[in-house]
Amino acid sequence: EAQVTQNPRYLITVTGKKLTVTCSQNMNHEYMSWYRQDPGLGLRQIYYSMNVEVTDKGDVPEGYKVSRKEKRNFPLILESPSPNQTSLYFCASKTGTGANTGELFFGEGSRLTVL
Amino acid sequence: QKEVEQNSGPLSVPEGAIASLNCTYSDRGSQSFFWYRQYSGKSPELIMSIYSNGDKEDGRFTAQLNKASQYVSLLIRDSQPSDSATYLCAVNPTNDYKLSFGAGTTVTVRA
Repeated sequence: EAQVTQNPRYLITVTGKKLTVTCSQNMNHEYMSWYRQDPGLGLRQIYYSMNVEVTDKGDVPEGYKVSRKEKRNFPLILESPSPNQTSLYFCASKTGTGANTGELFFGEGSRLTVL
Repeated sequence: QKEVEQNSGPLSVPEGAIASLNCTYSDRGSQSFFWYRQYSGKSPELIMSIYSNGDKEDGRFTAQLNKASQYVSLLIRDSQPSDSATYLCAVNPTNDYKLSFGAGTTVTVRA
């Protein structure tokens, strides 16, 4: 089954404790991206990657890191989480990197709470 | 000014009626436009894409695009309770690979 898998789905952590949210897709997609979703603000892009070893900042990259060492995986790293990073996070992927190329497939979301 | 703005909700419509959702965008050179549906607690899923001016119909859904007015809309005909969800408008800005999303409009279809 074609899917984007995120882990963990739910996480409560404390300020400053490094964490990683994993994302894996099995559709051989070139493009992968991370979004956060907050009430009233919609989906905001954190980072995206157009292929292995190619990553770029989205609209709200501060406080986050990513890596793309393999095509299927795109982990999101919070080196020192803060309460303002409490949010619902979505990983997404699509085939191709042009603007009109393909539907964006989303993972099920990871709800993160930073105390 | 936000890149993508949607009419504020929530929007409540009776079963069988037409739900009309509106979206405006700021980048005049945008070429790709999408409507995603998101049920509560779930991830967004694509329901419509439109790339050229005019109407595009898919079942009970019709997307309308007017690039001159920088406006895209979604009509849901014969609304069903299963259409109750948040609808997200998404736009590809010029020469940019990202999708910019609106804040969403929540639709409730009452029986």
